[in-house]
Amino acid sequence: DQQVKQNSPSLSVQEGRISILNCDYTNSMFDYFLWYKKYPAEGPTFLISISSIKDKNEDGRFTVFLNKSAKHLSLHIVPSQPGDSAVYFCAASGGGNEKLTFGTGTRLTIIP
Amino acid sequence: DAGVIQSPRHEVTEMGQEVTLRCKPISGHNSLFWYRQTMMRGLELLIYFNNNVPIDDSGMPEDRFSAKMPNASFSTLKIQPSEPRDSAVYFCASRPRGGRNQPQHFGDGTRLSIL
Repeated sequence: DQQVKQNSPSLSVQEGRISILNCDYTNSMFDYFLWYKKYPAEGPTFLISISSIKDKNEDGRFTVFLNKSAKHLSLHIVPSQPGDSAVYFCAASGGGNEKLTFGTGTRLTIIP
Repeated sequence: DAGVIQSPRHEVTEMGQEVTLRCKPISGHNSLFWYRQTMMRGLELLIYFNNNVPIDDSGMPEDRFSAKMPNASFSTLKIQPSEPRDSAVYFCASRPRGGRNQPQHFGDGTRLSIL
């Protein structure tokens, strides 16, 4: 039962353009969402988070949007840079539970 | 500042052997998490501790797996006896005080191969 889904295993984007990574969830108890970035042979690194009381959170080139009615969140990276090439995971928690449930990841490749 | 430190980075051993993975969380963090990453199941939580006390071990796959946190600066994940299906990357993460709205910080993982 995959409660957090990232349906695109991979995405290629031209340098300087916008990268949009998507994530869907099924558990209506989730109320806190995070994005992590992972390089090969390293652990995931926290990027940005959003609480369910908001629908948008921005940090520099990274913006996360949350659509609660659709149970969907997205990560926008503008402009995309070669160093953004990595695997991106979305994660969620809620229902009084501290556990993070991760999606399966999307591999982003930025084309120079 | 030092991040979460895991050792060893790589471990290759034969099935049936005991395996011990180690984790040193970030100083001052009071929560510690053990994850396993596989191709089939992705990144899944095995167990987590708050203030050195195990809170939820429902993700621990079998009794062959055990985890301890004897003090705030050290945790172990032990597999005894190990089996080939335990081959995976194991991550440790720690989180500062403030509850679940604080992000978890991950170590670089231990790549475990059971032959």
